[in-house]
Amino acid sequence: AQKVTQAQTEISVVEKEDVTLDCVYETRDTTYYLFWYKQPPSGELVFLIRRNSFDEQNEISGRYSWNFQKSTSSFNFTITASQVVDSAVYFCALSKETSGSRLTFGEGTQLTVNP
Amino acid sequence: GAGVSQTPSNKVTEKGKYVELRCDPISGHTALYWYRQSLGQGPEFLIYFQGTGAADDSGLPNDRFFAVRPEGSVSTLKIQRTERGDSAVYLCASSLSGRSSYEQYFGPGTRLTVT
Repeated sequence: AQKVTQAQTEISVVEKEDVTLDCVYETRDTTYYLFWYKQPPSGELVFLIRRNSFDEQNEISGRYSWNFQKSTSSFNFTITASQVVDSAVYFCALSKETSGSRLTFGEGTQLTVNP
Repeated sequence: GAGVSQTPSNKVTEKGKYVELRCDPISGHTALYWYRQSLGQGPEFLIYFQGTGAADDSGLPNDRFFAVRPEGSVSTLKIQRTERGDSAVYLCASSLSGRSSYEQYFGPGTRLTVT
């Protein structure tokens, strides 16, 4: 069975602070994919990143960066110099490396960035 | 281009009634997924279509839930004899193919309230 745990239910920061959202996963598969999605107040899930289990390189996209560590089964997400528009619920998700694989989501972390 | 659309955006129904929720995927996307998101939780998988056929319906909670995709495009999720516990946001996602290397694009969801 697959499982994703996001231990931080809510995080509140002040604008321009850096913030890291934690994600820990469980799977018995040797190959799999990890994802992060953003859900703003409007409700629509927005894809942020996909990482396959073979690629442990960290990735940076603008103010966003992701740290994948297979040894600790973690896929953490850092926002640098946070902005009010970053306020949203962020979900980490896991899927098998097979056709039609469902996404298994964590419970999400509500991030509030205050001005 | 147009994203995934879902109708209605909100549906209020009485316990015991039948409801249909519609999903229009992104044009050309052969894979279609339904998820259910309860308040404060991450989305949970319901069913996956590849083309016209339901390739994985293991997430449907019971036989009151059924989904179709007769022409391989639009999908309808049908719930019979609704119960208050069915109240949730129902999300639809589509993907270029069923391969997990392709991201799933989500629609805005249908908020179902059973009174």
